[in-house]
Amino acid sequence: ILNVEQSPQSLHVQEGDSTNFTCSFPSSNFYALHWYRWETAKSPEALFVMTLNGDEKKKGRISATLNTKEGYSYLYIKGSQPEDSATYLCALNSGYSTLTFGKGTMLLVSP
Amino acid sequence: DTGVSQDPRHKITKRGQNVTFRCDPISEHNRLYWYRQTLGQGPEFLTYFQNEAQLEKSRLLSDRFSAERPKGSFSTLEIQRTEQGDSAMYLCASSQSRTSRTSTDTQYFGPGTRLTVL
Repeated sequence: ILNVEQSPQSLHVQEGDSTNFTCSFPSSNFYALHWYRWETAKSPEALFVMTLNGDEKKKGRISATLNTKEGYSYLYIKGSQPEDSATYLCALNSGYSTLTFGKGTMLLVSP
Repeated sequence: DTGVSQDPRHKITKRGQNVTFRCDPISEHNRLYWYRQTLGQGPEFLTYFQNEAQLEKSRLLSDRFSAERPKGSFSTLEIQRTEQGDSAMYLCASSQSRTSRTSTDTQYFGPGTRLTVL
């Protein structure tokens, strides 16, 4: 059973704060790492697919980095806004197309 | 393109009843996945199809669960003789994948069907 861990479990920040979350995974099982944002009552939204060690991807104020040798990825949000409030999920693809998800980090941004 | 849709969005049923959920993937996507999320957990893989062929099933998928994807378009997930432990969010995702079995292609998710078994 693959173990994908996310921390923190939840986070409450003020508007304008920058924040980051961690996703850790077994490096020996790495094929690709996916990040999703899931707002309540909506579909999980794909943010990034990361495949190469040292990858850094950016989408607006959100960016992610990847270290496959030590088995972790960071997601950063610069200048958090209330609309960033959501659960952020990472998911490991270990080479069989199916995804193994972490439990997610629940972010609440207060105005 | 309207994205992945799922129906119904919510289902409340009594223990022992059968339920069926439907998923309509993004047009032309050849892969379709089912996941289940229970309280406090991340989504867990149940099964996936490439076109109409069911290629993989998780051990979470007991004999009471069956999934189909006739004609390689929409898919249905049926749960027979529901139990309280089946209460969860059932998510469907689709992707367009060109390679065999392994794929890093993005999976696009629907909004899910929330099942409550009383």
